[in-house]
Amino acid sequence: GENVEQHPSTLSVQEGDSAVIKCTYSDSASNYFPWYKQELGKGPQLIIDIRSNVGEKKDQRIAVTLNKTAKHFSLHITETQPEDSAVYFCAASDTGNQFYFGTGTSLTVIP
Amino acid sequence: GAVVSQHPSRVICKSGTSVKIECRSLDFQATTMFWYRQFPKKSLMLMATSNEGSKATYEQGVEKDKFLINHASLTLSTLTVTSAHPEDSSFYICSAPGQSTDTQYFGPGTRLTVL
Repeated sequence: GENVEQHPSTLSVQEGDSAVIKCTYSDSASNYFPWYKQELGKGPQLIIDIRSNVGEKKDQRIAVTLNKTAKHFSLHITETQPEDSAVYFCAASDTGNQFYFGTGTSLTVIP
Repeated sequence: GAVVSQHPSRVICKSGTSVKIECRSLDFQATTMFWYRQFPKKSLMLMATSNEGSKATYEQGVEKDKFLINHASLTLSTLTVTSAHPEDSSFYICSAPGQSTDTQYFGPGTRLTVL
């Protein structure tokens, strides 16, 4: 089955700096890669996603890049703000139903 | 995006009792829903896939007799933790695939504490 690894597990950045979270996957059949933000005591919220036919996608301060050959994808958050502090999960899917999640990254933005 | 709700958000029960958690898709229909369990500071662990009108599919190691799943309608799936024990204390989250997209939408989660 699919194996998704995520790094780093914790990340602290100064407000205004950029944050980068990286994930790798093992199954070349995976073709959908969402990123979720989870605040304490809440369910994960989709923040951005990318499909395998696209190399990069951007939504305001958030961007995701995908390298299918190397089987890795990354989340980039620019101009970080304190409200960006949360746990971020990457996931990979080949059917749109079965999601395989990374282990999560706890992001802290220091004011 | 689509909205998924869960009820209750928090529940505390005594050991040996059963607890039912509801997952609803509010503005779309979901023939499939997923139930996850999340331990503190850990990732989401898929427990089972809930299928409307048929039996749920459980992941390896998940006791189907302990975690009863019923998907009675296109907008409602329930997870019942039977004869709960303290080790069942966890954060339970459901999700449903969005219509015509690959995306999954998650509920807000239910914090179960078994005393």
